[in-house]
Amino acid sequence: NAGVTQTPKFQVLKTGQSMTLQCAQDMNHEYMSWYRQDPGMGLRLIHYSVGAGITDQGEVPNGYNVSRSTTEDFPLRLLSAAPSQTSVYFCASSYAGLGQPQHFGDGTRLSIL
Amino acid sequence: GQNIDQPTEMTATEGAIVQINCTYQTSGFNGLFWYQQHAGEAPTFLSYNVLDGLEEKGRFSSFLSRSKGYSYLLLKELQMKDSASYLCAGRPSGAGSYQLTFGKGTKLSVIP
Repeated sequence: NAGVTQTPKFQVLKTGQSMTLQCAQDMNHEYMSWYRQDPGMGLRLIHYSVGAGITDQGEVPNGYNVSRSTTEDFPLRLLSAAPSQTSVYFCASSYAGLGQPQHFGDGTRLSIL
Repeated sequence: GQNIDQPTEMTATEGAIVQINCTYQTSGFNGLFWYQQHAGEAPTFLSYNVLDGLEEKGRFSSFLSRSKGYSYLLLKELQMKDSASYLCAGRPSGAGSYQLTFGKGTKLSVIP
């Protein structure tokens, strides 16, 4: 079982560069989300999707774009990287229903120089 | 946004029992999750409470009081491998609300 797969695992960018963090799940989950985790801040929601073609903003969406063209994939795009976006990024997915736990990918550790 | 509060750090002895508390605004959430996160790894699901009371799952139990805006995670017979961060997360009230709001996590250190 692959579960939630994130690529790359590590990435170093220069300020102003753009890149896409990939997330794929093979569990046919309707709900997918992106979080960032910073020391002392906990997990903060960036964007989420309740199904293909539907996305919405979370708590900290500025500087990030998402799309959901298929049920399986939910890429996160950094438009113009800034040092403040240095973080660990987690993708998660779940069935859409009360009490359905979110399954997390292994994370992408991103450094912006 | 809605706040979820939990202690930053706790230390407990191997073999002991530890209770990790989580408080939140009562009007904000419908259902509380607990996740475990080892250093450098992804969070993994431990428990979910939507009704008041205690849910027991092996060495781990979780309690919810909706009227008090209070939850706790109880870990019994502590093992060294239980050293991790424990994350409390609330699911917002309202149909179709699946996004979670996480507390900042409690780092538990288990000592011999």
